[in-house]
Amino acid sequence: DSGVTQTPKHLITATGQRVTLRCSPRSGDLSVYWYQQSLDQGLQFLIQYYNGEERAKGNILERFSAQQFPDLHSELNLSSLELGDSALYFCASRGGRGSGGANNEQFFGPGTRLTVL
Amino acid sequence: AQTVTQSQPEMSVQEAETVTLSCTYDTSESNYYLFWYKQPPSRQMILVIRQEAYKQQNATENRFSVNFQKAAKSFSLKISDSQLGDTAMYFCAFMNTGNQFYFGTGTSLTVIP
Repeated sequence: DSGVTQTPKHLITATGQRVTLRCSPRSGDLSVYWYQQSLDQGLQFLIQYYNGEERAKGNILERFSAQQFPDLHSELNLSSLELGDSALYFCASRGGRGSGGANNEQFFGPGTRLTVL
Repeated sequence: AQTVTQSQPEMSVQEAETVTLSCTYDTSESNYYLFWYKQPPSRQMILVIRQEAYKQQNATENRFSVNFQKAAKSFSLKISDSQLGDTAMYFCAFMNTGNQFYFGTGTSLTVIP
């Protein structure tokens, strides 16, 4: 168990709909990263937040948005869904307070599997 | 921009044998971190090993070790005494000084009994 939680585990919806994926980072971690992994593909970086502020953007579509709240949990909003948005969406966290440079790896949640029909 | 390349989409190894997965990266930075992550069929991403670029000594974690060649920008993963549970997708990852991560496309490893 990485300590990162994601809800829901599975989500099935229709094209044109909007969904929200939720991520709770490890206790004390300030950074949250979102990734998309389509079937048999690598990880595509979407967006990064640090302590509530956006830090970096990757290949995130304009139909997608995210935010990190004061309690450090994050939400990824996907709207006007298309069939091609079906994928596994990972959240990862890193950078616990006081960890310095000792543990720079990301800790991944179990992912949310989104199916768009 | 940093890039990470894994040139071996698929590999297989006999149980108990040794296998090496390749990874190269491109960066102009001198301080960075490198990682290998494992993704078994459960799809959970699990950290296998990490390497700090400023350390010359290659990292080792039990049966897993790396061959870090900074000048060549190469970071290969060696798995010794391969076990059936090592069957997974392996991703090489790079973290820059801005704490941004870049992942390779992955190598699918199958351990054959």
